[in-house]
Amino acid sequence: GNSVTQMEGPVTLSEEAFLTINCTYTATGYPSLFWYVQYPGEGLQLLLKATKADDKGSNKGFEATYRKETTSFHLEKGSVQVSDSAVYFCALSAYTGGFKTIFGAGTRLFVKA
Amino acid sequence: DAEITQSPRHKITETGRQVTLACHQTWNHNNMFWYRQDLGHGLRLIHYSYGVHDTNKGEVSDGYSVSRSNTEDLPLTLESAASSQTSVYFCASSESGAGNTIYFGEGSWLTVV
Repeated sequence: GNSVTQMEGPVTLSEEAFLTINCTYTATGYPSLFWYVQYPGEGLQLLLKATKADDKGSNKGFEATYRKETTSFHLEKGSVQVSDSAVYFCALSAYTGGFKTIFGAGTRLFVKA
Repeated sequence: DAEITQSPRHKITETGRQVTLACHQTWNHNNMFWYRQDLGHGLRLIHYSYGVHDTNKGEVSDGYSVSRSNTEDLPLTLESAASSQTSVYFCASSESGAGNTIYFGEGSWLTVV
């Protein structure tokens, strides 16, 4: 079946450090890929997405490229801020008798000033 | 602005009681979902609906039920609350089809004592 695996956290970085959160997936067909972010006490919200191979999603300085050959969608940001502290979820959407979205376990990011 | 609202936001109930969590969306989305979020498990799908009068079981549906009588609402009922159902519950919705963003409510914190 379809699945998403992302790196375990927590990840702790200093402000202005480079961020990578790894995400790999298993899916049949051609899934769409997403990163969602959850700030404390809130629901998840879309950070970025990519719907086909080699697409790059970007938002708020975050980027991720849909790599079909390595089944990956790693999240990167060149310079993190304290306000980026949150939980990040990688997800895929694919047709399995209806379009369903599967989420990874989430990676908590702490950014220190 | 369109939105998705959940109520109650916080509830404490006793074991064995029936509890209903409300979810209302004004996006006019066909798809609606209920997830639970627990430490170490990420988001797990409880039930979902692709339209009025359509409901489907997710991966952790035992002890839960939903009904969809209109486009806007998907209430989640815990038929006989158990301590294992203490969790944060998120309602979400999306348009039909591939690659569509899921919009989440702010969550309902349920404690079963």
